[in-house]
Amino acid sequence: AQTVTQSQPEMSVQEAETVTLSCTYDTSESDYYLFWYKQPPSRQMILVIRQEAYKQQNATENRFSVNFQKAAKSFSLKISDSQLGDAAMYFCASLSSGGGADGLTFGKGTHLIIQP
Amino acid sequence: GAGVSQSPRYKVAKRGQDVALRCDPISGHVSLFWYQQALGQGPEFLTYFQNEAQLDKSGLPSDRFFAERPEGSVSTLKIQRTQQEDSAVYLCASSSHSLAGAGELFFGEGSRLTVL
Repeated sequence: AQTVTQSQPEMSVQEAETVTLSCTYDTSESDYYLFWYKQPPSRQMILVIRQEAYKQQNATENRFSVNFQKAAKSFSLKISDSQLGDAAMYFCASLSSGGGADGLTFGKGTHLIIQP
Repeated sequence: GAGVSQSPRYKVAKRGQDVALRCDPISGHVSLFWYQQALGQGPEFLTYFQNEAQLDKSGLPSDRFFAERPEGSVSTLKIQRTQQEDSAVYLCASSSHSLAGAGELFFGEGSRLTVL
């Protein structure tokens, strides 16, 4: 079984500043995927960034980057130059790569507030 | 369609009623997932289809929950004899890949079920 822990229920950042959202996970799998999803108030989940565990290089997507520490089982999300449109719930998730029948395991989420 | 479509967006049911929630995945998507998201929580996996085959239903909370995807496209999640603890947002997601993690999951906006 996999578990994902997000210890920050809410984070606030000034517009244009940088914010880091924390995530730790636990898995017995040797190969797995990690994700950050954004859920705006409309509730549609949108993939922000994805990391394959076998890749040591941290994934980056424009203003979004991760700090993947495999030994520590940590997967934090850094948002640079925060924009008002970044305000949303952010969910960290993990997925075993074996079998294909498993669903994502989500954390409880972090509510990100952007201060204008 | 352009995205994953779910209906109804909102459903209020009296305790003991049966409900049916519909998901129209992106055309041609092989994989389809159902998740349950309680208020203030992350989504929790319910069940997974690869085409018309239900490969994993380990997340269904009780035998009152039933899902089908008879023609490998539209899926219906049915909840019989609804209880108050069934109140949640039910999210559907689809992917063009048959292997979990290999492709991006596209989520619908969800169906919010309130059981009185």
